[in-house]
Amino acid sequence: NAGVTQTPKFQVLKTGQSMTLQCAQDMNHNSMYWYRQDPGMGLRLIYYSASEGTTDKGEVPNGYNVSRLNKREFSLRLESAAPSQTSVYFCASLSGGSSYEQYFGPGTRLTVT
Amino acid sequence: QKEVEQNSGPLSVPEGAIASLNCTYSDRGSQSFFWYRQYSGKSPELIMSIYSNGDKEDGRFTAQLNKASQYVSLLIRDSQPSDSATYLCAVISSGSARQLTFGSGTQLTVLP
Repeated sequence: NAGVTQTPKFQVLKTGQSMTLQCAQDMNHNSMYWYRQDPGMGLRLIYYSASEGTTDKGEVPNGYNVSRLNKREFSLRLESAAPSQTSVYFCASLSGGSSYEQYFGPGTRLTVT
Repeated sequence: QKEVEQNSGPLSVPEGAIASLNCTYSDRGSQSFFWYRQYSGKSPELIMSIYSNGDKEDGRFTAQLNKASQYVSLLIRDSQPSDSATYLCAVISSGSARQLTFGSGTQLTVLP
């Protein structure tokens, strides 16, 4: 049981390049999330998917797109990277039922030069 | 705007002392509250969840919730150097059943 996995762990991009961050969970959770974390700003929600086939914008969606490929996988795409997107990106999934406990992947550290 | 506020710290306590971390939230209709621990360079890890007023204890950790005053706190008893981390408060606000709003975190250092 790996929980939430993310690839890659580190990435350096040049301005204007594109890339996709991959995320998968094996806990059979319906809801999945992408956050970014910048120093002093806590975790900010980029996009989330309440269930397979649905996605919604969070607090900071500009410059990003997402795909909920199936129940397990939720990817984040940067079409044209900008230095302002330098950050640590976390994927998470949320347990259902009566508890709403969120579990995080190990993160991707992205630098855009 | 629904907000979660924490003192950014840093908070330093000596080993063996009680560390007290506080969090306030703006949405009176919030129902679910969480504390996460994040070591430097690592991902957040859930350590406590609390859903009703009062105290909830788990080992050396106690979460306290007061909905009337709109605050939630985390007490760490017998603090250890291994407790040194950033502690994030998170809240599920009314109308956002599946979205957590996070505070910016409090950095705790436990001095040997």
